[in-house]
Amino acid sequence: KAGVTQTPRYLIKTRGQQVTLSCSPISGHRSVSWYQQTPGQGLQFLFEYFSETQRNKGNFPGRFSGRQFSNSRSEMNVSTLELGDSALYLCASSGDSLQETQYFGPGTRLLVL
Amino acid sequence: DAKTTQPPSMDCAEGRAANLPCNHSTISGNEYVYWYRQIHSQGPQYIIHGLKNNETNEMASLIITEDRKSSTLILPHATLRDTAVYYCIVRANRDDKIIFGKGTRLHILP
Repeated sequence: KAGVTQTPRYLIKTRGQQVTLSCSPISGHRSVSWYQQTPGQGLQFLFEYFSETQRNKGNFPGRFSGRQFSNSRSEMNVSTLELGDSALYLCASSGDSLQETQYFGPGTRLLVL
Repeated sequence: DAKTTQPPSMDCAEGRAANLPCNHSTISGNEYVYWYRQIHSQGPQYIIHGLKNNETNEMASLIITEDRKSSTLILPHATLRDTAVYYCIVRANRDDKIIFGKGTRLHILP
């Protein structure tokens, strides 16, 4: 089985722009979670989608949003980028059963200038 | 806040067993202990998880104390490729969001 894939792998944007990141889960997985990783804050949970519905949400401002499509692929969007949004954005997928392991993608490294 | 406490760093000689401790004194009865590792700038890699029994797979062994307040991840024969940050997480089920702590940075010494 192919693993979790994320595109693009690297991205450079400027302050005030917006960005959309994409995540394709492992085939058959319907849950997709997003995380932000920075040197200062470590790995922080953004949100989780299951069957196109947001199921869990972390403590991030409304500039961070996401969605999931019927094929379980997910996108996250960050509007009005700030310098502090520079980070590694990770996506993880898991299956349906109650006790499911999350598998992570390679991440998208975003640099905001 | 993370529900686990880990030492910030550890060293281990190549070829020896690496024993990484984790404290989770407030763990609930339905929470599992998960271990992930992250090699520099890559996504976290799942290693192993368990509820109360010891577990072993091709990567590692997980030893959970009888009171479940702590656990140890054992890499039986550490290699240089095991150099990574190791995260111990407690989580009840898929509806529980994963909260990562700061992990343990494991250095394998040649």
